[in-house]
Amino acid sequence: DAKTTQPPSMDCAEGRAANLPCNHSTISGNEYVYWYRQIHSQGPQYIIHGLKNNETNEMASLIITEDRKSSTLILPHATLRDTAVYYCIVRPSGGGADGLTFGKGTHLIIQP
Amino acid sequence: DAGVTQSPTHLIKTRGQQVTLRCSPKSGHDTVSWYQQALGQGPQFIFQYYEEEERQRGNFPDRFSGHQFPNYSSELNVNALLLGDSALYLCASSLRGVTGNTIYFGEGSWLTVV
Repeated sequence: DAKTTQPPSMDCAEGRAANLPCNHSTISGNEYVYWYRQIHSQGPQYIIHGLKNNETNEMASLIITEDRKSSTLILPHATLRDTAVYYCIVRPSGGGADGLTFGKGTHLIIQP
Repeated sequence: DAGVTQSPTHLIKTRGQQVTLRCSPKSGHDTVSWYQQALGQGPQFIFQYYEEEERQRGNFPDRFSGHQFPNYSSELNVNALLLGDSALYLCASSLRGVTGNTIYFGEGSWLTVV
């Protein structure tokens, strides 16, 4: 079973920041939070990941609460091409044999 | 730098037949995983290969088997195809042993069983 909880769907206006929440209340100390997105009929695209600190890259920012029980993915200026299903996944940090467990994700719809 | 590549992109098979899907990992990666994604669902982990051996397996029957070659590329084989095997099959690669490593996915192979 997925270790994360996400809202099934969200809307956001084009040009605004999209904030996607994720609850992972049972996360262990050695587990990272990963975000992927999947545009219809394509393979999942890696967005960002983090352990404790907030992270930012060219695609998004990841804000992790101090207790690490929840996080928020921020797309700073959403465009229509950001419409996709966004998956929040927790994963051990060992870099070993661990298949990703996907939940149902959040279907983000960017409105023009 | 080529990412994860998969072939074929689409294929149609008949019930009872066998299928082989292929995957080349991202350059520098040594670990390959396979996922099945049914329509409207999230990807489900099938198995992972490293050093030419199956290292971890999800809840899939023995009809699903795989192989990894010395160049790290991989094949997924499905025998005795069922209608329910119709899905998008995804390959993912990573570099084992790197803390916080990133897993990258290919665009997938669409399998339709009729």
